[in-house]
Amino acid sequence: GAVVSQHPSRVICKSGTSVKIECRSLDFQATTMFWYRQFPKQSLMLMATSNEGSKATYEQGVEKDKFLINHASLTLSTLTVTSAHPEDSSFYICSARAGTDTQYFGPGTRLTVL
Amino acid sequence: AQSVSQHNHHVILSEAASLELGCNYSYGGTVNLFWYVQYPGQHLQLLLKYFSGDPLVKGIKGFEAEFIKSKFSFNLRKPSVQWSDTAEYFCAVNGPGNQFYFGTGTSLTVIP
Repeated sequence: GAVVSQHPSRVICKSGTSVKIECRSLDFQATTMFWYRQFPKQSLMLMATSNEGSKATYEQGVEKDKFLINHASLTLSTLTVTSAHPEDSSFYICSARAGTDTQYFGPGTRLTVL
Repeated sequence: AQSVSQHNHHVILSEAASLELGCNYSYGGTVNLFWYVQYPGQHLQLLLKYFSGDPLVKGIKGFEAEFIKSKFSFNLRKPSVQWSDTAEYFCAVNGPGNQFYFGTGTSLTVIP
């Protein structure tokens, strides 16, 4: 089956620094990638939809200047949390989709901002 | 905007009991429907999906779901649960606009 990886799996950073999370589709080309945020015991909240070669589409309430998304190739999307603060601490999950079929999810990245 | 609701937030069952988890969505047009499972410490995995055709969909690990268009529902079922089914279950809807909407999730605990 399709495999999506995320790196790093866990990151701890100081408040005010920026953190980059990578999402890769390992065995297929993803025309669309999605970034989600999951709070403890809660559902996934879609943050943005990322299409290769174009600007990401952000959901309402998600700051595009804070959560920078780059989808540089058909196998890689990055999420950069700029000037991270403790309230940005969360579990960030990406997914990748080829065409209009199913999304495949990455294992997630646990971000802790001190 | 679309919404997806899962009415059961936490379900506790004994092994061999039957399971039904409810999922309702709000969009009236053509949708694709999914159930995902998240086992403790693991990432989301696809259980089953419905795009078109037979409204009764069979997935992995003995799970099935039935799409009832008139009720905007896509309930997940399993006749006999096992301890290993303990996990978080998410219903998701994909409609026009290239977006996925997830339900709030149902935490299933199966007691041996």
